[in-house]
Amino acid sequence: SQQGEEDPQALSIQEGENATMNCSYKTSINNLQWYRQNSGRGLVHLILIRSNEREKHSGRLRVTLDTSKKSSSLLITASRAADTASYFCATGKDSGSARQLTFGSGTQLTVLP
Amino acid sequence: NAGVTQTPKFQVLKTGQSMTLQCAQDMNHNSMYWYRQDPGMGLRLIYYSASEGTTDKGEVPNGYNVSRLNKREFSLRLESAAPSQTSVYFCASSNGPNSYGYTFGSGTRLTVV
Repeated sequence: SQQGEEDPQALSIQEGENATMNCSYKTSINNLQWYRQNSGRGLVHLILIRSNEREKHSGRLRVTLDTSKKSSSLLITASRAADTASYFCATGKDSGSARQLTFGSGTQLTVLP
Repeated sequence: NAGVTQTPKFQVLKTGQSMTLQCAQDMNHNSMYWYRQDPGMGLRLIYYSASEGTTDKGEVPNGYNVSRLNKREFSLRLESAAPSQTSVYFCASSNGPNSYGYTFGSGTRLTVV
């Protein structure tokens, strides 16, 4: 079963606009991560936010986490055509000695030039 | 370049055939993972290896076996391929207890006819 669910499933915006994607999850977590996947490629780690953090920034990315609502958002500011990709949230939870991630089904972002 | 290397990139199998997907990482990571990605399903964990010499089942292990050959290599074997195993397979690695981000390979696109 999937832990995180992204919303919307697809998003289309103009270059220069901001893009916001949301993620909801069901059980307690240690951390939440966002990944990007370009078409035909593997996933690339973007940012990690821990359960005791509320907001984190990395370049044009801003991630928020609300553990009371079990939700997170990813904001990409001043989007570029190169930001076109699928974006996945993943929730992390310890399982013995391994860090396991559970992925959502993703948001397909299209940035139009 | 450092990272996770998967072979082959593409494969077509007939139902009942067997094959092994290879994965190698050169980042000295302790943990390695195999995921499958199906349309609209996100990534689902098949098997993982927390450290050299250990392997554990993930969410969808049926029909698969794995071998952690050494610290660098983690292979996934399909003993008798079925059409339901048509998918894109991703290998990933992480640096164990002090690192949560995963590094992914570029994937193997497998079609079973």
